[in-house]
Amino acid sequence: DVKVTQSSRYLVKRTGEKVFLECVQDMDHENMFWYRQDPGLGLRLIYFSYDVKMKEKGDIPEGYSVSREKKERFSLILESASTNQTSMYLCASRVGTRLSKQYFGPGTRLTVT
Amino acid sequence: QQQVKQSPQSLIVQKGGISIINCAYENTAFDYFPWYQQFPGKGPALLIAIRPDVSEKKEGRFTISFNKSAKQFSLHIMDSQPGDSATYFCAASSPTTSGTYKYIFGTGTRLKVLA
Repeated sequence: DVKVTQSSRYLVKRTGEKVFLECVQDMDHENMFWYRQDPGLGLRLIYFSYDVKMKEKGDIPEGYSVSREKKERFSLILESASTNQTSMYLCASRVGTRLSKQYFGPGTRLTVT
Repeated sequence: QQQVKQSPQSLIVQKGGISIINCAYENTAFDYFPWYQQFPGKGPALLIAIRPDVSEKKEGRFTISFNKSAKQFSLHIMDSQPGDSATYFCAASSPTTSGTYKYIFGTGTRLKVLA
């Protein structure tokens, strides 16, 4: 089965630090996504990538950037972490067709103090 | 226009009962409607999905009902079991400017099934 892995399950960072969240998928999927999950707000799309080096902003891109240098790896970068970026971050991947199944990683719980 | 509204926020059902979660959307460009199930400590996983040319899809105890004219769809869990206790998200697939598709998710429903 498809596996989406995220580099850390839990992460604690200080305000102002640069934070890297890594995601790797093993099924040669074209599309990869970063979401944040907050209680009562559901899953909100931060950024996605539809090909290597190609990206598109999601609904809440402010304060984040992404990098996709290889097809299997998609990184989320918090340039200067702030306390309002404390959240659960979920990575997902899928084939680029309309009806394809989207696979999620287990999530990274980031706390910014 | 880009929202999917989901209700209720939480739901408590007795074992053997029917759980019903509702979602509504405005954007007629949405063209695929999956439901995801998330257990604590895990990422969401696809449960069942429906295309807008179908009014109902059933997989085991899980059924999606879709009303295209009302722009509403719902998940019904028949004979609910304690193992169904999880958070459920509806979603809608939306085309993007890059020619691919992204999901717009609802806000989630936390379901608890009492034994």
